[in-house]
Amino acid sequence: RKEVEQDPGPFNVPEGATVAFNCTYSNSASQSFFWYRQDCRKEPKLLMSVYSSGNEDGRFTAQLNRASQYISLLIRDSKLSDSATYLCVVVVRMIKAAGNKLTFGGGTRVLVKP
Amino acid sequence: GAVVSQHPSRVICKSGTSVKIECRSLDFQATTMFWYRQFPKQSLMLMATSNEGSKATYEQGVEKDKFLINHASLTLSTLTVTSAHPEDSSFYICSAKSSSTTDTQYFGPGTRLTVL
Repeated sequence: RKEVEQDPGPFNVPEGATVAFNCTYSNSASQSFFWYRQDCRKEPKLLMSVYSSGNEDGRFTAQLNRASQYISLLIRDSKLSDSATYLCVVVVRMIKAAGNKLTFGGGTRVLVKP
Repeated sequence: GAVVSQHPSRVICKSGTSVKIECRSLDFQATTMFWYRQFPKQSLMLMATSNEGSKATYEQGVEKDKFLINHASLTLSTLTVTSAHPEDSSFYICSAKSSSTTDTQYFGPGTRLTVL
């Protein structure tokens, strides 16, 4: 089983619609969670952190479910510019001096269409 | 703030040659930098963690003698792909962790390596 798993999609979303997808993780010691966005042939860019209480940033809402070990991302009022691959990132605190280790999910591809 | 640059952005080389990729944190000091590799339609895979002034820590399956990492200053880490082969063709991305933050990493724009 992969440490971090995502539905690869693609999720075809009509412009203006809402889309949501999850990311499951296997290590119960995971401590921090993030959603990154990656456009084709570009580097990942931080979209938002995911807090235990859930958090919202504009049209984006992230949730964490520790009991079931998954995080979710919901995008409301989808824009064409939201088309991208969304990477789930899970952080496990390491004992070594590096401090932490990020593990990336395989990404969920979202295509917003007019 | 928190800008990371990489150079070159794209490189094409012949099989057997060595390629050096630079990763710089432009507006912050990075005690730790990370090197990732991403093959087409796959996710990022951590290759190694680079700490300033010490040896890099390599992930399982990554050959340290093939992928040489040097983190000589708080703003620069280099990855050298030695004796590159076509299977090394990939998208190499570095990231840097600011000393003042905990888990957030800032990514460079990546280097696309093509080995002929």
